[in-house]
Amino acid sequence: GESVGLHLPTLSVQEGDNSIINCAYSNSASDYFIWYKQESGKGPQFIIDIRSNMDKRQGQRVTVLLNKTVKHLSLQIAATQPGDSAVYFCAENMVTDKLIFGTGTRLQVFP
Amino acid sequence: KAGVTQTPRYLIKTRGQQVTLSCSPISGHRSVSWYQQTPGQGLQFLFEYFSETQRNKGNFPGRFSGRQFSNSRSEMNVSTLELGDSALYLCASSSTAPTNYGYTFGSGTRLTVV
Repeated sequence: GESVGLHLPTLSVQEGDNSIINCAYSNSASDYFIWYKQESGKGPQFIIDIRSNMDKRQGQRVTVLLNKTVKHLSLQIAATQPGDSAVYFCAENMVTDKLIFGTGTRLQVFP
Repeated sequence: KAGVTQTPRYLIKTRGQQVTLSCSPISGHRSVSWYQQTPGQGLQFLFEYFSETQRNKGNFPGRFSGRQFSNSRSEMNVSTLELGDSALYLCASSSTAPTNYGYTFGSGTRLTVV
């Protein structure tokens, strides 16, 4: 398959701290990137996206950074809350309209 | 507005049977994509439909097929089920073609093959 899913890396953070989740994407031709959050029993939920002509985009408490030189994407969550606990996926999109997902990172927030 | 609706939420089937899953996209969305999610392989693209035409297909055997109706609702079918087909099947809809604004996912159909 195109998305390699092994055991999920886990990021544990204390409530109130900032979280940074990293992702390496596969194709230098990808021109659109999306971060999704998936809670147990639910489908992926859109968080934020960024086009390849940008290197940073901010949303509410979230920031996505794109480094095309090294094909790296990161999601920063400010003041992490217990409700942020979930699995986070990055996805890359090429002109074929197919999303290619990363392996995912489990974020655990403890009080 | 209503989100992406997938039915049924859960299914248990026996090896060798076939199954049909349904997806109703967000009203006005014409693109529907299907993904398979398993612990071992993560999220993998199955196929994508736009205006009743399959535009893209992932690397899955021919046992996996789909279609889209004129109202944009989509179905996917898996024939001759194998144990390895047990997975969460996710449908996503999008309004633009080619999509530039991400996909909205449904909650998925959890298929268990026994």
